[in-house]
Amino acid sequence: GESVGLHLPTLSVQEGDNSIINCAYSNSASDYFIWYKQESGKGPQFIIDIRSNMDKRQGQRVTVLLNKTVKHLSLQIAATQPGDSAVYFCAENIPTPNYGGSQGNLIFGKGTKLSVKP
Amino acid sequence: EPEVTQTPSHQVTQMGQEVILRCVPISNHLYFYWYRQILGQKVEFLVSFYNNEISEKSEIFDDQFSVERPDGSNFTLKIRSTKLEDSAMYFCASSVFKNQPQHFGDGTRLSIL
Repeated sequence: GESVGLHLPTLSVQEGDNSIINCAYSNSASDYFIWYKQESGKGPQFIIDIRSNMDKRQGQRVTVLLNKTVKHLSLQIAATQPGDSAVYFCAENIPTPNYGGSQGNLIFGKGTKLSVKP
Repeated sequence: EPEVTQTPSHQVTQMGQEVILRCVPISNHLYFYWYRQILGQKVEFLVSFYNNEISEKSEIFDDQFSVERPDGSNFTLKIRSTKLEDSAMYFCASSVFKNQPQHFGDGTRLSIL
């Protein structure tokens, strides 16, 4: 079954507004989460990560929130710019006991397309 | 800024042929990965590699697939006897260690005819 999913497949925002992209995960054992941005024709670009012992982490213009109670992850982008237009993926890592714990492989969601209107 | 590089950017191959996709991970990274993305679908994990051996592999990574680090810089994915359903974007990634940010290349688009 699908372990990571996204509530909104598309999101359209006005330039300068804040964006919130949501992600639901189903495996409570997941211990590491990453948000990636993917522009057309390019590979996933790392934005920000968070570990399961935290509930919030801030970067430059981005904030990731982790709610383990409801298994929810969100990415907040402040003052969204046209250059933020892309597909955003959340990804999780589930520890795998057969391999001596987590080896780092990521399980990706389908992605949310963010469109920023000038 | 150091980056993961992949070659070729696009590979077209006849069904049944073998292909080798190449990657140069970031130089101080110890963990290497291959993922694939079929058009319109999620990015899927294939295999992770550390200390010259496979750390973990998914169900997708069957006997048709193999990985190798032939020298100190390259990391390759070989697909034997390719099938139509192997058509996808193949991404290489690397990280300093496990559970550290994985940095991705721009991928190789593999088209099987």
